[in-house]
Amino acid sequence: QSALTQPPSASGSPGQSVTISCTGTSSDVGGYNYVSWYQQHPGKAPKLMIYEVSKRPSGVPDRFSGSKSGNTASLTVSGLQAEDEADYYCSSYAGSNNFGVFGTGTKVTVL
Amino acid sequence: QVQLQESGPGLVKPSETLSLTCAVSGYSISSGYYWGWIRQPPGKGLEWIGSIYHSGSTYYNPSLKSRVTISVDTSKNQFSLKLSSVTAADTAVYYCARFTMPQYYFDYWGQGTLVTVSS
Repeated sequence: QSALTQPPSASGSPGQSVTISCTGTSSDVGGYNYVSWYQQHPGKAPKLMIYEVSKRPSGVPDRFSGSKSGNTASLTVSGLQAEDEADYYCSSYAGSNNFGVFGTGTKVTVL
Repeated sequence: QVQLQESGPGLVKPSETLSLTCAVSGYSISSGYYWGWIRQPPGKGLEWIGSIYHSGSTYYNPSLKSRVTISVDTSKNQFSLKLSSVTAADTAVYYCARFTMPQYYFDYWGQGTLVTVSS
C-alpha cells in the first residue's frame, strides 16, 4: 500500500488561506468517506483536526475544513495564524486487506 | 480526559525484539474502541503499525505483519507492541493512540517514545 501523495510544502501570510491536497486512489481516498487530517508541531504528537472527510472534533477551530473530490481530499486552513505553522498529514481507510494509509506530509509555513 | 503513555526501552539491538507498553487512563479499554500503534522515523512521515480491540481482535499493517504482535491487558488497562527482528530501519518515535473503526482515525495520542536500534 503506497502512501497518499501530499505536496511537501505550502505557505501563506497571516489571515490568508492555504489548501493542502491529498491524492490517493479509488481503493482508498476515492473509495471511502474515511479521510482524516492531523496537525503535528515539532517534537509533539499528531493532533486530529478533521475526520470522516469534513467533521471537526470538539475544540478544533472552524478555520479548519475538509473536503473530497474523487481520489483527492483537501484540507483548507482559513485565516492563517502563526500557530498553524506545522506539518499536516492526511490518512485514509484502504479496505479490509490494506486497512489504512497515511499521506507523505505537508509542511505549512506562515510567512 | 483520555490519556495514553508509552513506556519501554529506548535502545534495542539489531535482530532483537522491540517491546513497548501503552498505559491508558481516563477511559476503560474494556468499554470499547480500538487501540493502535503508529511510528515515525526521524524526519519522516507516519506509518500505521497495527491496532487491537479489547476483545483481542487485531489488524496489522501488511508490510509489518510477519514481525508484529499487539496484545491487550484489560486488567491493567494497557496494550503492548512487540516487533521482532529489528533493524536500523525500525528506529523511530513510536506512538500509541485510540483508534476508531471503520472510520479509521486516531483521536487521542500518547506523547511518543523514541526507540533506537543500534548495537
